[in-house]
Amino acid sequence: GQSLEQPSEVTAVEGAIVQINCTYQTSGFYGLSWYQQHDGGAPTFLSYNALDGLEETGRFSSFLSRSDSYGYLLLQELQMKDSASYFCAGIGYQLIWGAGTKLIIKP
Amino acid sequence: DAMVIQNPRYQVTQFGKPVTLSCSQTLNHNVMYWYQQKSSQAPKLLFHYYDKDFNNEADTPDNFQSRRPNTSFCFLDIRSPGLGDAAMYLCATSRGGRQETQYFGPGTRLLVL
Repeated sequence: GQSLEQPSEVTAVEGAIVQINCTYQTSGFYGLSWYQQHDGGAPTFLSYNALDGLEETGRFSSFLSRSDSYGYLLLQELQMKDSASYFCAGIGYQLIWGAGTKLIIKP
Repeated sequence: DAMVIQNPRYQVTQFGKPVTLSCSQTLNHNVMYWYQQKSSQAPKLLFHYYDKDFNNEADTPDNFQSRRPNTSFCFLDIRSPGLGDAAMYLCATSRGGRQETQYFGPGTRLLVL
């Protein structure tokens, strides 16, 4: 079957770095997207990887390894406003979303 | 500013009473999506339109229908809402085949009494 797995919850400290992992199993895979969603809000696109390697966008970076069917989102210099849920979404023959990772940031 | 607009933001309906949710976009994107999202869960894709071509997900209940009269507007019709249909309904758009970059509206929260 097709699925994406990510941790349900991650806790980190303000100012630190946190990595949110996503492993996938999708047919016809051609890329992995990341979205941020604050409580009560809509998902917001963060990043997309079609090729192996690291994509950097400000404090956020995303990585993909096709050979390992694995990707991650890296958040640096964490701020309290980064407290949100983060979803990976696999793009292939179907669009499949992970269950989401709730990021809790402590002062 | 170009955007995705959903109306209303909150909708209350009665069990079994048909309801329609609306989405409009000023991005001129040719793909529009409808998602259902329940608390602490991932968005669940119900269907999407690629231009006028309708694509239904295999597990979307027949109770859910959609219409796209033109590029800018898309509607979600729930023919006979049940208590289990109470959720946030999200509309999203993307340009061409670029499903990886979707722009979401603020959502409509549906309450079924």
